[in-house]
Amino acid sequence: NAGVTQTPKFQVLKTGQSMTLQCAQDMNHEYMSWYRQDPGMGLRLIHYSVGAGITDQGEVPNGYNVSRSTTEDFPLRLLSAAPSQTSVYFCASTRGRSGRSWDEQFFGPGTRLTVL
Amino acid sequence: KQEVTQIPAALSVPEGENLVLNCSFTDSAIYNLQWFRQDPGKGLTSLLLIQSSQREQTSGRLNASLDKSSGRSTLYIAASQPGDSATYLCAVRRVIQGAQKLVFGQGTRLTINP
Repeated sequence: NAGVTQTPKFQVLKTGQSMTLQCAQDMNHEYMSWYRQDPGMGLRLIHYSVGAGITDQGEVPNGYNVSRSTTEDFPLRLLSAAPSQTSVYFCASTRGRSGRSWDEQFFGPGTRLTVL
Repeated sequence: KQEVTQIPAALSVPEGENLVLNCSFTDSAIYNLQWFRQDPGKGLTSLLLIQSSQREQTSGRLNASLDKSSGRSTLYIAASQPGDSATYLCAVRRVIQGAQKLVFGQGTRLTINP
């Protein structure tokens, strides 16, 4: 299994440009999430999905869109990039609930985004 | 609001020492707690997962404990090695506004000196 994969690894955008960060997992996980990691702020949840066709907002959703057309893929779209979106973005997935327990969460390697 | 705190923010110890990293959380209504390791410029690697009904988990030189009633978890690293140098993050899973979410601490940056 490749686990959680993300592309690209690095990206530089100009203010106002749009782009899509790709995320895929091959573990048949129902739950997928996007986080951003900033110095001093820790990891913050942007959007998440509990299954194909179902998405919801996290803590910091403004300026980002997501969709989940398949179980495997969960792309994150930046509509009009701003310097405040300069960050490291992580995609994560988990199988979800099993009885009274929740499975562990796995993370991708990250995308380092700079917006000029 | 669920808050997760990790103290200290940074720790430097000589090789071979046993050490403990601390994680505290404000709300005990959690499903589980997960410890991660993050190397500079890399993603998060899952180390240990403790379900809310469990008290501890072990993997090799790592042992994590969970005390829900006091809102605390510790990660014990035995016989530390330079390769253990990394940032260690803890995260609790709980329901926030009707949805399952992971809440992260800020991490402890660990340096093991040869």
